Amino acid sequence: QTQLQESGPGLVKASQTLSLTCSVSGVSTSNGRYYWSWIRQPAGKGLEWIGRVYTSGSTDFNPSLKSRVTISLDTSKNQFSLKLSSVTAADTAVYYCAREHDSGPREYFFDFWGQGILVTVSS
Amino acid sequence: DIQMTQSPSSLSASVGDRVTITCRASQSITYYLNWYQHKPGKAPKLLIYAASTLQSGVPSRFSGSGSGTDFTLTISSLQPEDFATYYCQQSYGTPWTFGQGTKVDIK
Repeated sequence: QTQLQESGPGLVKASQTLSLTCSVSGVSTSNGRYYWSWIRQPAGKGLEWIGRVYTSGSTDFNPSLKSRVTISLDTSKNQFSLKLSSVTAADTAVYYCAREHDSGPREYFFDFWGQGILVTVSS
Repeated sequence: DIQMTQSPSSLSASVGDRVTITCRASQSITYYLNWYQHKPGKAPKLLIYAASTLQSGVPSRFSGSGSGTDFTLTISSLQPEDFATYYCQQSYGTPWTFGQGTKVDIK
């Protein structure tokens, strides 16, 4: 059974870089059927897709965050990571990692998610 | 970006009720629409993908329909474990976007 687990600091100071890791078990991150995504949810708000990485290392990002985001994949550790630079209070959110299944042209869906990690940005 | 709008934002229902949640896209997304269930402190769960395909292991009381811009998630007979927040998400084009959620609670 596929499982994902986020880890990283729960508190980050404003202007610094938020760094999170997602550890994957039950499936190889080098499996070409999947992308590996980050999604966040500020308190009381909806879900926002941050970006994704493919087994090749290619990435796609939400344009609203693109200038500050890095997503990387380490297939040897079966992990992928998120870095978000120059954080502000607006980046305080629960951050989820998720497996994105490529089921065909435009048929993508998040079929496994981590439980999420709350990251608070302090001033 | 494609905007996704859900209605209602919340509803109260009883066990056994038929519940319908709608999701509207700001442009046609053909049938590239997914539905998720989210309970507090837990990982979101995929219910339906490609508008109407039930994810493996999801009870048959959940169903999805629609195409173009208008979509519906129906729970035919609400069960106690179904009280949660439901989100739609389009996969027609990046950035993937979600509806704002519909919270289903106990009447």
